[in-house]
Amino acid sequence: DTGVSQNPRHKITKRGQNVTFRCDPISEHNRLYWYRQTLGQGPEFLTYFQNEAQLEKSRLLSDRFSAERPKGSFSTLEIQRTEQGDSAMYLCASTVYREHNEQFFGPGTRLTVL
Amino acid sequence: DQQVKQNSPSLSVQEGRISILNCDYTNSMFDYFLWYKKYPAEGPTFLISISSIKDKNEDGRFTVFLNKSAKHLSLHIVPSQPGDSAVYFCAASASNDYKLSFGAGTTVTVRA
Repeated sequence: DTGVSQNPRHKITKRGQNVTFRCDPISEHNRLYWYRQTLGQGPEFLTYFQNEAQLEKSRLLSDRFSAERPKGSFSTLEIQRTEQGDSAMYLCASTVYREHNEQFFGPGTRLTVL
Repeated sequence: DQQVKQNSPSLSVQEGRISILNCDYTNSMFDYFLWYKKYPAEGPTFLISISSIKDKNEDGRFTVFLNKSAKHLSLHIVPSQPGDSAVYFCAASASNDYKLSFGAGTTVTVRA
């Protein structure tokens, strides 16, 4: 299977702990996006990368959130000092950067902060 | 602010009939529109898209219509099948960054 993969699929943590999620995009895709989805809502944009460069961060992404994409391959999203409001599905998507193109999503990481 | 709106949270349709899903947007910079389908515990799956230079795009049972003056698009599924039961998201993007803005989704239930 050569789709987008995300690990872990589920993460339960206690408030105040740090968590890190990983996304492996489709190999030839140079753009990678992170979204967050809460119950009853559509995915909301968090940040995106063109190769290893982080080009934009949403105002939803507080200082406790950081994302990296070393060497333009996989990406990690870290949340420090988690809060209950961080509980959500975190989705990663990748695509080839060219004139409009669909994004391919991974299965997501479900975060529950107790 | 919600730039993409799906005002119908749910839709129930009989198998074999047409499903019509609606979506409205407010950002005039949007020039590409997509529909995604999502099953529980899975990520969204791309279904069909349309560029702002077109007003209709078909792919098998799925047709998307775009009315730019009304800032409205719709997805028609005909005939509806039980496997179509899922949450459908409308999404839009602009040429400056291509990030997607999603609606809240419409849950479609196809009754046998």
